Amino acid sequence: DIQMTQSPSSLSASVGDRVTITCQASQDIKNYLNWYQLKPGKAPKLLIYGASSLQSGVPSRFSGGGSGTYFTFTISTLQPEDIATYYCQHYDDLPWSFGQGTKVEV
Amino acid sequence: EVQLVESGGGLVQPGGSLRLSCAASGFTLSDHWMTWVRQAPGKGLEWVANIKQDGSEAYYGDSVKGRFIIARDNVRNSVYLQMNSLRVEDTAVYYCTRICGVWWFDPWGQGTLVTVSS
Repeated sequence: DIQMTQSPSSLSASVGDRVTITCQASQDIKNYLNWYQLKPGKAPKLLIYGASSLQSGVPSRFSGGGSGTYFTFTISTLQPEDIATYYCQHYDDLPWSFGQGTKVEV
Repeated sequence: EVQLVESGGGLVQPGGSLRLSCAASGFTLSDHWMTWVRQAPGKGLEWVANIKQDGSEAYYGDSVKGRFIIARDNVRNSVYLQMNSLRVEDTAVYYCTRICGVWWFDPWGQGTLVTVSS
């Protein structure tokens, strides 16, 4: 099974800051990686698919990159509404798995 | 508007059963694989099960294999998760989600809470 290691587990930043989260796969997953945003009491939201493609309707301050085993997720200018927990998820092969999440706080 | 609404969660004793439902609207259910994902309290997300468009194929995570069954009724626009032999560690919010493209989850429902406790 492929393991996803996400870091950091939490971070504190200020509005306007650039925030970067990393996700490492235990083996080559090409670009088969997605990023999701979770807020308490709300439905999870797809932000990035295929490692770097921005889902329709998602603000352009969100971006993703990487391939193989190393991936990044960046919020270019942190906004108050971005306070949430972010998860990476691979879909290279079953079982699909998620990183352990990164809680972003202000 | 594409929407998924889960129902059927609640409190159940260890060893018991529960059936979750997911009502889909705003799209043609039979065009999509569907998935259940769960989040235990204070934990991360865990993929639970997938089902193919026509129900002919289904796949499960190791932690639920042999105990849970995913099913669908495209006429009723619904997806189901039959959960048997429930354990305390199955306590979680269960989300229904649609698989798009190759392969990502969008959208998600708001989730339904399952609590397994004596």
